[in-house]
Amino acid sequence: EVQLVESGGGLVKPGGSLRLSCAASGFTFSNAWMNWVRQAPGKGLEWVGRIKRKTDGGTTDYAAPVKGRFTISRDDSKNTLDLQMNSLTTEDTALYYCTTDSYTTMGTSYYYYMDVWGKGTTVTVSS
Amino acid sequence: DIQMTQSPSSLSASVGDRVTITCRASQSIRSYLNWYQQKPGKAPKLLIYAASSLQGGVPSGFSGSGSGTEFTLTISSLQPEDFATYYCQQSYSTPRTFGQGTKVEIQ
Repeated sequence: EVQLVESGGGLVKPGGSLRLSCAASGFTFSNAWMNWVRQAPGKGLEWVGRIKRKTDGGTTDYAAPVKGRFTISRDDSKNTLDLQMNSLTTEDTALYYCTTDSYTTMGTSYYYYMDVWGKGTTVTVSS
Repeated sequence: DIQMTQSPSSLSASVGDRVTITCRASQSIRSYLNWYQQKPGKAPKLLIYAASSLQGGVPSGFSGSGSGTEFTLTISSLQPEDFATYYCQQSYSTPRTFGQGTKVEIQ
């Protein structure tokens, strides 16, 4: 069964740090591009960032609100995806999901979509 | 960044109704548009990718159309399990952006 399980969430003070992890199973993790997506309480979905697979350079992209504070990394030997979050603010309070970034090719075009989601882990930033 | 705007933000409908949700992009995204369904307390679920391709296991009552800047998600006959919030998302460029969501409620 294809599965993503997030962990590491919790309560942290403003200015603090937290590291989230996502354990993948049921698919070849090393071949997958992966995303983090968050959802503040009662709000919509917000893309946080993405990491490509190592054969595509393993590069990362981030949303503007987290760039320079958050770092996405992966350990293909352990099938895990991490999100290191520093300098946290109350605006970072949210449920954090990890997702796959799968694709389908049609002609020469690559269509990406998030087809597997974890259940999420909650981060609360509060004094 | 590409802005995605959904309309309406919410709607009330009855079982059996045909429902259409619109998503507009701030610039052309060709067919790089996905739709997700989210039920309360659950993770989002992919319904449609590449604007009109139905994800495996999704009922055929869901369909997507459009290209460029305007897209629609249609539920041909609303079922009780379809009451949820729906999001569009563009995959044309990073940052990936979502619409603000459309909540479909029981009338």
